Amino acid sequence: ESVLTQSPATLSLSPGESATLSCRASQSVGTYLTWYQQKPGRAPRLLIYDASTRATGIPPRFSGSGSGTDFTLTISSLEPEDFAVYYCQQRSDNWPPVFTFGGGTKVEI
Amino acid sequence: EVQLVESGGDLVQPGRSLRLSCKASGFTFDDYAMHWVRQPPGKGLEWVSGINWNSGTISYAASVKGRFTISRDNAKNSLYLQMNSLRREDTAFYYCTKDSNAAPGGRFGNWGQGTLVTVSS
Repeated sequence: ESVLTQSPATLSLSPGESATLSCRASQSVGTYLTWYQQKPGRAPRLLIYDASTRATGIPPRFSGSGSGTDFTLTISSLEPEDFAVYYCQQRSDNWPPVFTFGGGTKVEI
Repeated sequence: EVQLVESGGDLVQPGRSLRLSCKASGFTFDDYAMHWVRQPPGKGLEWVSGINWNSGTISYAASVKGRFTISRDNAKNSLYLQMNSLRREDTAFYYCTKDSNAAPGGRFGNWGQGTLVTVSS
């Protein structure tokens, strides 16, 4: 079963700066890679699916890229509301599928 | 508006059972697969189980296989998670989430607020 490794664990940045988050899969997942944002005390929110497609209502400063085993979530200019924990997620190739989350990257001020 | 409301979380002793429920509204429930995802307090997310629209396809994480059972009642717009032989490591917030497809494998676009299960003696 493929494992997802996110790095760094914590990213300390200021509003207006750019954030680059990495997610590496131990086996190729094609472009089935999803990103979620979670704020304290809240449920996760879908950000990006199929590696690079923004979910409905997600601002264009969020972008995803990558395929195979290496993926990146970029936040081009951090807004105060972007400070949160970000998780990547994959789906297995077998049927029925199982799903795996990465350990998360905390973007802090 | 899609709404998912979990219930049933509680403090339970190791080895005991608990049943979680998720009431869905705002969409055609039997058009979508559903999942349970959990999160121990202060830790990361773990997918627990998924079920397709007609209960014909079900999958579990290895950590709960044989102990947990997912089910749904489309007439009641409800998703369930029967948890048996609970362990301390099952302590977590349990989220109900809606898949984007009828079969499991899409994205989790809608989430409930979570219900807390605490396994402790």
